[in-house]
Amino acid sequence: QKEVEQNSGPLSVPEGAIASLNCTYSDRGSQSFFWYRQYSGKSPELIMFIYSNGDKEDGRFTAQLNKASQYVSLLIRDSQPSDSATYLCAVIYNQGGKLIFGQGTELSVKP
Amino acid sequence: GAVVSQHPSWVICKSGTSVKIECRSLDFQATTMFWYRQFPKQSLMLMATSNEGSKATYEQGVEKDKFLINHASLTLSTLTVTSAHPEDSSFYICSARGLGGTEAFFGQGTRLTVV
Repeated sequence: QKEVEQNSGPLSVPEGAIASLNCTYSDRGSQSFFWYRQYSGKSPELIMFIYSNGDKEDGRFTAQLNKASQYVSLLIRDSQPSDSATYLCAVIYNQGGKLIFGQGTELSVKP
Repeated sequence: GAVVSQHPSWVICKSGTSVKIECRSLDFQATTMFWYRQFPKQSLMLMATSNEGSKATYEQGVEKDKFLINHASLTLSTLTVTSAHPEDSSFYICSARGLGGTEAFFGQGTRLTVV
């Protein structure tokens, strides 16, 4: 059973701080990793994806992948109240494969 | 990014009736469609994967006779919840992927309430 694990939270950070979200996955053959943001009652929206070990930066967001340790993380710099949402980690095992989601981490950014 | 349109955005139906949800890719050909269900405060659970022109592959525990999936064209997939019951009330979300693509694009979701 391929699994994706996240801390459900809630994770609370003050405005302007760095929020760190973590995700581990069980299938060592996983190749593609995604972070989605989901507001209550809405569909997930893609923040960024990462395929290679190391860091990938996009604006205030940085994804970090460590395949040896089977974890992927998302850092949000200068957190804003509008970043308050549930963050979903998702993993694809192979090209064209199923997108499997973690349970999501609820982030609350306090003004 | 590519656009996936899901309709209706919400529906209320009586117990025992059937409901059809449509998922359309508007500006690309969706060779693969995924259907998810999400209960409150829970993550997205994959129900089934369908490739255009083929029968859908259902995840373990998902009743294929209850959740009928059709993917007859490269731009349209439908999910029909047959003989709906209150426990089927949930948020149903489709996502679509094009040929050779990795990223899947999500529809807006459908809130189903069975009364």
